[in-house]
Amino acid sequence: DQQVKQNSPSLSVQEGRISILNCDYTNSMFDYFLWYKKYPAEGPTFLISISSIKDKNEDGRFTVFLNKSAKHLSLHIVPSQPGDSAVYFCAAIALTNAGKSTFGDGTTLTVKP
Amino acid sequence: KAGVTQTPRYLIKTRGQQVTLSCSPISGHRSVSWYQQTPGQGLQFLFEYFSETQRNKGNFPGRFSGRQFSNSRSEMNVSTLELGDSALYLCASSLVEGLKLAQYFGPGTRLLVL
Repeated sequence: DQQVKQNSPSLSVQEGRISILNCDYTNSMFDYFLWYKKYPAEGPTFLISISSIKDKNEDGRFTVFLNKSAKHLSLHIVPSQPGDSAVYFCAAIALTNAGKSTFGDGTTLTVKP
Repeated sequence: KAGVTQTPRYLIKTRGQQVTLSCSPISGHRSVSWYQQTPGQGLQFLFEYFSETQRNKGNFPGRFSGRQFSNSRSEMNVSTLELGDSALYLCASSLVEGLKLAQYFGPGTRLLVL
């Protein structure tokens, strides 16, 4: 039973446009949601997080939106740059045993020049 | 600040042996989490320690155990190794400040069980 799902394995966008990466979850007991970027042969790199009691958090070109009623979160990258091309993972973190910290399977983002 | 460090970086063991992996979190971070990464299963949560106490645990057998020391350094132990334990083991340290949580991963320990 996968509690965090990224339904799109890949996404391709043009440089300068918006990239929107999506993630759905099933457990309402998660405390934080995080987004990571990962290059091959490297560990995940933390990008941005959002508390479960917030609905938006911004950091530079990255904005994460949380829709608790839909159990959905998204990462917006504006404007997209070729260097953003990587695999993006969403993660749901539980600080207690109410839920197990879980990662999605990842979405490969390709930003074309 | 120095990042998360993990030792050793690579390990080769045989079935039935046991192994201990070490993780030093970022200075000031009191939470350490361990993950197993395999091509087929992706990133799987093992357990999380906070202030020397296991706060959360994933769905792994009891052969996987861990502990955290008073300086926040953490160790993970796998006993009676199986071929399927071959994976990249990642440690992450995290810090909560207000409503923000940041979690940073180490480079991982790649374990090969023969």
